[in-house]
Amino acid sequence: EPEVTQTPSHQVTQMGQEVILRCVPISNHLYFYWYRQILGQKVEFLVSFYNNEISEKSEIFDDQFSVERPDGSNFTLKIRSTKLEDSAMYFCASSDKGYTGELFFGEGSRLTVL
Amino acid sequence: GEDVEQSLFLSVREGDSSVINCTYTDSSSTYLYWYKQEPGAGLQLLTYIFSNMDMKQDQRLTVLLNKKDKHLSLRIADTQTGDSAIYFCAESGNAGNMLTFGGGTRLMVKP
Repeated sequence: EPEVTQTPSHQVTQMGQEVILRCVPISNHLYFYWYRQILGQKVEFLVSFYNNEISEKSEIFDDQFSVERPDGSNFTLKIRSTKLEDSAMYFCASSDKGYTGELFFGEGSRLTVL
Repeated sequence: GEDVEQSLFLSVREGDSSVINCTYTDSSSTYLYWYKQEPGAGLQLLTYIFSNMDMKQDQRLTVLLNKKDKHLSLRIADTQTGDSAIYFCAESGNAGNMLTFGGGTRLMVKP
């Protein structure tokens, strides 16, 4: 069964460092998303991406965050200068529909900022 | 902003029915969802219901929606130990796949 894969599964970084989290969405999907879950809190929407541009973003997704689809298969989330509060599990998701919430999630990348 | 709330924990015996409840605040919710997360895995869509429906049944799963009370429930019939997981309720308004999640209900099934 096709699945969304994410790397790395866990990354530890120092505050102020840049981090790139990578995702390979399901191959025929056109809509891509990043969500995050801070430990003990709810899963929160960060950004959606379609047709090579951001379609929606939350207020969490500030100038420190960026997304890119550098080639036909990868979808990346970059955090330019990490803060302690960026420590979270980051989930990538993809969908072939833009409106029904039928998202396929990856297993997540745990980011720990020290 | 929109909010989705769930109880934290539910424990049932194998073979019993489980009912997981959820309340939400967004009256413009278009779709409501149940996702399941097993340990070490991502969120997996179990089922969803369109806001103009009251009920949806899919094998052992029954979703009930009370739009007036903004209450959603998931009933799992004949609960099995493999159903032990965290169950997330989520809703989307008019913004497509921008989902608002509840905090998740941890279901523990005892043999």
